[in-house]
Amino acid sequence: AQSVTQPDIHITVSEGASLELRCNYSYGATPYLFWYVQSPGQGLQLLLKYFSGDTLVQGIKGFEAEFKRSQSSFNLRKPSVHWSDAAEYFCAVGGDTGRRALTFGSGTRLQVQP
Amino acid sequence: GAVVSQHPSWVICKSGTSVKIECRSLDFQATTMFWYRQFPKQSLMLMATSNEGSKATYEQGVEKDKFLINHASLTLSTLTVTSAHPEDSSFYICSARVLAGATEQFFGPGTRLTVL
Repeated sequence: AQSVTQPDIHITVSEGASLELRCNYSYGATPYLFWYVQSPGQGLQLLLKYFSGDTLVQGIKGFEAEFKRSQSSFNLRKPSVHWSDAAEYFCAVGGDTGRRALTFGSGTRLQVQP
Repeated sequence: GAVVSQHPSWVICKSGTSVKIECRSLDFQATTMFWYRQFPKQSLMLMATSNEGSKATYEQGVEKDKFLINHASLTLSTLTVTSAHPEDSSFYICSARVLAGATEQFFGPGTRLTVL
């Protein structure tokens, strides 16, 4: 069974500081990995995804993530955080299975201090 | 492209009534739609997978008679919460898959259900 772990429930960073949100996954084959952002009361917005190829993927809003198979990780990074980045971030894994649904991590809430 | 809408965006109903939530793919045909549920400050949990023209597949622990799913066309899936109770209050999010076999899903904006 596939699973996703986001070890950090809540992270606070200062505006302008760098950010790294951790994501570890468990999946028996090559995973498809996603990062989504959710503002309060809103739906999900896809930040970036990894299917294959270059393990460093670029997304929207200046985010990037690196797939590390040896560590089963797909951490999200941003070099300089903006106040508008404050939101909930979800890592998700999907795969070439019959269900083809996504399994989400528990989320990391990002707070940005001025 | 790949826009998914949900209607209503929020709904308040009395206990015992039924509520229907619509999920539409606006600019593409979706052979499969997924329904997720999100409790406050928690993650999304898959409730069911809805395939056009066939019965939905429910996740373990989800009551199929309570959460009726209909996927009558390639652009519309509906979730009906029957005899709603306060514990059904939640944020319901649908997603749609563009192509059969594709993993990427596009999410709707969600529907906030409050049962009094």
